[in-house]
Amino acid sequence: DTEVTQTPKHLVMGMTNKKSLKCEQHMGHRAMYWYKQKAKKPPELMFVYSYEKLSINESVPSRFSPECPNSSLLNLHLHALQPEDSALYLCASSLRSYYGYTFGSGTRLTVV
Amino acid sequence: AQRVTQPEKLLSVFKGAPVELKCNYSYSGSPELFWYVQYSRQRLQLLLRHISRESIKGFTADLNKGETSFHLKKPFAQEEDSAMYYCALTAQGGSEKLVFGKGTKLTVNP
Repeated sequence: DTEVTQTPKHLVMGMTNKKSLKCEQHMGHRAMYWYKQKAKKPPELMFVYSYEKLSINESVPSRFSPECPNSSLLNLHLHALQPEDSALYLCASSLRSYYGYTFGSGTRLTVV
Repeated sequence: AQRVTQPEKLLSVFKGAPVELKCNYSYSGSPELFWYVQYSRQRLQLLLRHISRESIKGFTADLNKGETSFHLKKPFAQEEDSAMYYCALTAQGGSEKLVFGKGTKLTVNP
């Protein structure tokens, strides 16, 4: 298995909802990432997990809460989001940074 | 701070013509540089790593530390090369923070 799998592919949620995005990889990669990508913009780093521990938080609002239950899974819990949080949320993983990252196809989130 | 600059937002060439997508970086240490490509309706995927000095799909990129550049080149562009290309940088030695340039949209016309 050489892929990063993200579910769901699309999500529409209200501003008072709580939802979660899921990411899974079985490549034995030790680092996993969440990126946010707005239309026609490059991906922006949100969080980095290294060996299941949060190592980088790019000053992301607390309405986004990451979780790494094990070395293969990464979740992003969403609560009280704003319409401007609508974007494509990408998950990625890597064995070591110099090998490059493997990206999932993303979850397209719309906040209404 | 890490910074990646891709000066061309759009680049249009004809099939068979050479293509060069420019990338300049700013980083005080030793960088690891990459090119990623995003074809229409497909996921972002790694194209090249500077450390491997490889050629993928006819593309090459050379790290020039003096000019702090990592330009992507292909001698004969194909229509299937049309995509969004991102240059990206991470710090050598273990930092896991990958920073992207703003991207160049390449269109190869028939």
